[in-house]
Amino acid sequence: DAKTTQPNSMESNEEEPVHLPCNHSTISGTDYIHWYRQLPSQGPEYVIHGLTSNVNNRMASLAIAEDRKSSTLILHRATLRDAAVYYCILPSGGGADGLTFGKGTHLIIQP
Amino acid sequence: KAGVTQTPRYLIKTRGQQVTLSCSPISGHRSVSWYQQTPGQGLQFLFEYFSETQRNKGNFPGRFSGRQFSNSRSEMNVSTLELGDSALYLCASSFLPGQGIANYGYTFGSGTRLTVV
Repeated sequence: DAKTTQPNSMESNEEEPVHLPCNHSTISGTDYIHWYRQLPSQGPEYVIHGLTSNVNNRMASLAIAEDRKSSTLILHRATLRDAAVYYCILPSGGGADGLTFGKGTHLIIQP
Repeated sequence: KAGVTQTPRYLIKTRGQQVTLSCSPISGHRSVSWYQQTPGQGLQFLFEYFSETQRNKGNFPGRFSGRQFSNSRSEMNVSTLELGDSALYLCASSFLPGQGIANYGYTFGSGTRLTVV
């Protein structure tokens, strides 16, 4: 998988938007950008994915830079339940070698 | 629909023993992957099964093995347990191998917490 770089931790206030950045300068043209999150004592949970265009779903939005070398996961209105470790993943080769999880970003939400 | 079910949730074993963990994927999902999560190494891919065949394997010793049944349920086995095998073992399912990449992502279970003493 192509390498991704994320901040170790971020802090935000409840009910405010959160922008979680991810750099992936070695991304190839066919690499999808995936985001997962892991809440305490649970397995990872799929959040969103995209290829070139910005994407929205009920959980979040994914903004992809025009050159695809970076992306940003946007939580529009953070709640305490969004406190988790967020992973940005670029699975390559159809995921033939599974998903490579880095350290991710530990998101802390303050009430 | 029911999610990915892993049993047992917690397990304590003694060094040298063997252990078998079970994973039932989401109904209709035919691909099952296994991951190991430790504080030091994070989440690491173990192997993936589809149609009762192992498609690929991560960088783990031969003590780690798995299998998949015709109903897509999967088991993983660790023989001759070592203290370092203490970890959270997670299983993930998708409809087809690689479809988790281009489509809806993989669905993970809550894991089995294995402690080796």
